[in-house]
Amino acid sequence: AQSVAQPEDQVNVAEGNPLTVKCTYSVSGNPYLFWYVQYPNRGLQFLLKYITGDNLVKGSYGFEAEFNKSQTSFHLKKPSALVSDSALYFCAVRDGNTGGFKTIFGAGTRLFVKA
Amino acid sequence: GAGVSQSPRYKVAKRGQDVALRCDPISGHVSLFWYQQALGQGPEFLTYFQNEAQLDKSGLPSDRFFAERPEGSVSTLKIQRTQQEDSAVYLCASSGPGLQETQYFGPGTRLLVL
Repeated sequence: AQSVAQPEDQVNVAEGNPLTVKCTYSVSGNPYLFWYVQYPNRGLQFLLKYITGDNLVKGSYGFEAEFNKSQTSFHLKKPSALVSDSALYFCAVRDGNTGGFKTIFGAGTRLFVKA
Repeated sequence: GAGVSQSPRYKVAKRGQDVALRCDPISGHVSLFWYQQALGQGPEFLTYFQNEAQLDKSGLPSDRFFAERPEGSVSTLKIQRTQQEDSAVYLCASSGPGLQETQYFGPGTRLLVL
């Protein structure tokens, strides 16, 4: 069965500093991994995904994520945080071999960026 | 271009009432998903359609929940005899046909059952 863990409920970072939002996953087949961001009263917006290929994936708004197969992780990163990055971030996984189209989301990590 | 739209955006129902939530996917997207997002939680998968075929309904929490997509475009999620625990945001997403495709989400319908 697929599962996703976001071990931090909240991450606080100062504007201009690098940020990391952690995600670990479990699937029996090949993982398809996604990051979404949710602003208040809005739907989820896609940031980036890993399907295959280069382990470092670049996405929207300057975000990137690194796929680490041995650690089963897909941490979201940004070199320099902005106050406007403050939002709720969700990691999601789909089993590329056996899970069909079912996508499992983590519980979310709230990011606060202070000016 | 138009994204995924959902209606109504907010719905208040009395316990025991039936509700119907509508999703208009992005034009041409064959895949459509429904999720339930409880307060403070991540979205939980409910069901998935490929065109008009419901290929996975393993996440529907009870037989009170029913989804349809009769013509392969618009979808309706129906909840019969609503209970207070059904209160949540219901999200719809659509995508292209492949497993690697990105899902694009609508704004959600916030359901409150009193």
